[in-house]
Amino acid sequence: NAGVTQTPKFRILKIGQSMTLQCTQDMNHNYMYWYRQDPGMGLKLIYYSVGAGITDKGEVPNGYNVSRSTTEDFPLRLELAAPSQTSVYFCASSQSPPPPGAGNTIYFGEGSWLTVV
Amino acid sequence: LAKTTQPISMDSYEGQEVNITCSHNNIATNDYITWYQQFPSQGPRFIIQGYKTKVTNEVASLFIPADRKSSTLSLPRVSLSDTAVYYCLVLGGSQGNLIFGKGTKLSVKP
Repeated sequence: NAGVTQTPKFRILKIGQSMTLQCTQDMNHNYMYWYRQDPGMGLKLIYYSVGAGITDKGEVPNGYNVSRSTTEDFPLRLELAAPSQTSVYFCASSQSPPPPGAGNTIYFGEGSWLTVV
Repeated sequence: LAKTTQPISMDSYEGQEVNITCSHNNIATNDYITWYQQFPSQGPRFIIQGYKTKVTNEVASLFIPADRKSSTLSLPRVSLSDTAVYYCLVLGGSQGNLIFGKGTKLSVKP
């Protein structure tokens, strides 16, 4: 059971380049999320999606774009990479609303390390 | 998603019991209190969840008073490997704007 899969795991970008971080989940979850985490800091929500075709901004959406054409996939696009976007990116998914007392309902990918130079 | 408040950081020594308290004054009737643990360079992982009174599993205990406006995560006899960030979340209804906050950074020293 794969869960949440992110690619690539590591990437170095030059300033101004574009790239897409891929995220796919095989649990048929309706909700998906993208977070970034700078060194020593907490998770910051970039964008989220409550279902295919629906996306919304989180805490720090500037410089990013997302799409949700299928339930499984939620790619994150960086159009003009900047050094401030150097971070670790985590994709997550959940079933919402969660069944009462379901225990763990949020599943994370292993992270994507992005460096912009 | 109900707002939560927890200490930014805590220090402890190996073998001690650590209690991390989280306040959630606006918790709703159908909300569950959920704690996640995050090690460096990894995504958060589920530790424990509770609705009221006390819940215990192999990793931790969770104490929730009758008014449910706060909760305490208890880690018995911590070791160096418990050094991590601990997040308190109140989950129940729609989880769209799922904000984790800063969490509590626990440092366990030898």
